[in-house]
Amino acid sequence: EPEVTQTPSHQVTQMGQEVILRCVPISNHLYFYWYRQILGQKVEFLVSFYNNEISEKSEIFDDQFSVERPDGSNFTLKIRSTKLEDSAMYFCASNRLPGGPREETQYFGPGTRLLVL
Amino acid sequence: AQTVTQSQPEMSVQEAETVTLSCTYDTSESDYYLFWYKQPPSRQMILVIRQEAYKQQNATENRFSVNFQKAAKSFSLKISDSQLGDAAMYFCAYRSAGGDDKIIFGKGTRLHILP
Repeated sequence: EPEVTQTPSHQVTQMGQEVILRCVPISNHLYFYWYRQILGQKVEFLVSFYNNEISEKSEIFDDQFSVERPDGSNFTLKIRSTKLEDSAMYFCASNRLPGGPREETQYFGPGTRLLVL
Repeated sequence: AQTVTQSQPEMSVQEAETVTLSCTYDTSESDYYLFWYKQPPSRQMILVIRQEAYKQQNATENRFSVNFQKAAKSFSLKISDSQLGDAAMYFCAYRSAGGDDKIIFGKGTRLHILP
């Protein structure tokens, strides 16, 4: 069964450093998402991406965040200058096959655990 | 704005017994989707069950079923014949059927299975 993959599974970085989290969505899916989950808290939406542009972003997704689909398979989340409060689990998700039903489910990757020191 | 509320931070159930996790939500929309996701210790998000708001029939997936009460804005998850592998964090979630397709999650309920 196709699945969303994410790399790395864990990343430790120093405050102020740039990090890039990588995701490979399910092949042929059209919509891509990033969510984050601070330890002990609920999962929060960051951004959605369709047709090579951001379709929606939350208040959390400020200027230090950016997303990109550099090729036909990868979807990345960049945090330019990490802060302590960026420590969280970051989930990538994808959905919507071409011509698929509107209610297509979002499938989540296994997450990247980011720790900012 | 839509909100999802899970009022039970933790629950426990004896193995092989049945447990119900509660969820309420608030929305002014008439068409939407509701989900239950499971998050085991590995922290991966796994879809358990999905309900379309326009369907009156409650969704079922093997041992998992929901009680969807649209008027009451209630969406509970029933797990029958609980197994040790069911131990996890369970998140109730909402998604609009309109142009805004981000998922809104509740705070979760941690389910413990007692052997």
